[in-house]
Amino acid sequence: QSVLTQPPSVSAAPGQKVTISCSGSSSNIGNNYVSWYQQLPGTAPKLLIYDNNKRPSGIPDRFSGSKSGTSATLGITGLQTGDEADYYCGTWDSSLSGVVFGGGTKLTVL
Amino acid sequence: EVQLVESGGGLVQPGRSLRLSCTASGFTFGDYAMSWVRQAPGKGLEWVGFIRSKAYGGTTEYAASVKGRFTISRDDSKSIAYLQMNSLKTEDTAVYYCTRGPAGGFDYWGQGTLVTVSS
Repeated sequence: QSVLTQPPSVSAAPGQKVTISCSGSSSNIGNNYVSWYQQLPGTAPKLLIYDNNKRPSGIPDRFSGSKSGTSATLGITGLQTGDEADYYCGTWDSSLSGVVFGGGTKLTVL
Repeated sequence: EVQLVESGGGLVQPGRSLRLSCTASGFTFGDYAMSWVRQAPGKGLEWVGFIRSKAYGGTTEYAASVKGRFTISRDDSKSIAYLQMNSLKTEDTAVYYCTRGPAGGFDYWGQGTLVTVSS
């Protein structure tokens, strides 16, 4: 059971928008920055969003992040078949003194 | 170009030890904290631990699941981070990734090295 809760799967059609939620508590999301990662099949994870809503260089603005209270959300617009992947949220947990991840969300682009 | 290359994975019996290495290039290694994250077959990401830069004391933090069994160290002169794994259990079977971070997110990842713990 992961400390952060994500939906196991989401799906949407090409060109549409999808959001992935990540729910935590005051010891993690509530008081720390959230990051989001994309893991394409058979590859290492890739940083998509850091510090709640910042995109690393090279990440298209189709990807966005937000945080409110003890929850965070990843948004993807203009869905492409190449976006099919597992997505993970992560943050520091002050009570555990460690990094925690969500269980991951599998995105299917129908 | 930032590169992280893990090595040292393989098949090991329960109770034995294994040391993984992460060789870094393309950035000033000593300026960054370095982490290890693992992924069991078909499962999600699990943070293993990290080591701070010398500027922040070079101290370490570990996940509860590995604390007391795993040790992370670094050699800044060689740009290498190590993960010493002792008293290995079958549940430690996973792909182990070396990654730069965690401050500002884990921004660079290695390709991963598979550790299989089995008799």
